[in-house]
Amino acid sequence: QVQLQESGPGLVKPSETLSLTCTVSGGSIGTYYWNWIRQPPGKGLEWIGYIYDSGSTNYNPSLKSRVTISLDTSKNQISLKLSSVTAADTAVYYCASFYTGGVCHRAFDYWGQGTLVTVSS
Amino acid sequence: EIVLTQSPGTLSLSPGERATLSCRASQSVSSSYLAWYQQKPGQAPRLLICGASNRATGIPDRFSGSGSGTDFTLTISRLEPEDFAVYYCQQYGSSPRTFGQGTKVEIK
Repeated sequence: QVQLQESGPGLVKPSETLSLTCTVSGGSIGTYYWNWIRQPPGKGLEWIGYIYDSGSTNYNPSLKSRVTISLDTSKNQISLKLSSVTAADTAVYYCASFYTGGVCHRAFDYWGQGTLVTVSS
Repeated sequence: EIVLTQSPGTLSLSPGERATLSCRASQSVSSSYLAWYQQKPGQAPRLLICGASNRATGIPDRFSGSGSGTDFTLTISRLEPEDFAVYYCQQYGSSPRTFGQGTKVEIK
């Protein structure tokens, strides 16, 4: 059973860079695609992007210019960096995975609990 | 980008009743790559249905999905107390992956 745990600062100042880490346990980091998804308070879900073991990435065009997702296989961690943040980036940030096999291939089957990041001075 | 529109915004029902949730896509969803998720307050979403009609592991059979192309439906045959939550549809057939705005199923 794959388990995901997000961590990082809960408060970031406007114009700075938001940095989060997702630690994976119970599964091989090389088997899955690792995603970041966010949810502003009281609102819906927005997919940010993913990274695969090979290092290949795919980002949402709406955020592409500000997003970097990277992988540290030695630590079983995925990181998210979002630059030049504003109040509009305040959200719960989730790490989630999908697999390219099985019945539910490519659907988000495992999720972390999420971490709230507030952008405020 | 595929825009998903869910209706209704809120569904007020009693336990034991049938819930029917709709998700309409702005263009055809490739290979029926349409999923439904359940989210309860303070929790992460949970995958219920993938491939438009396949229940994810451990999901009770009172949850069913149907549809293809641009029109999809999630049906909960008999609402249990734990089913009152927000439900999101999501397409993963094309990039960027997108979600609907959600349907809240509340106790009447």
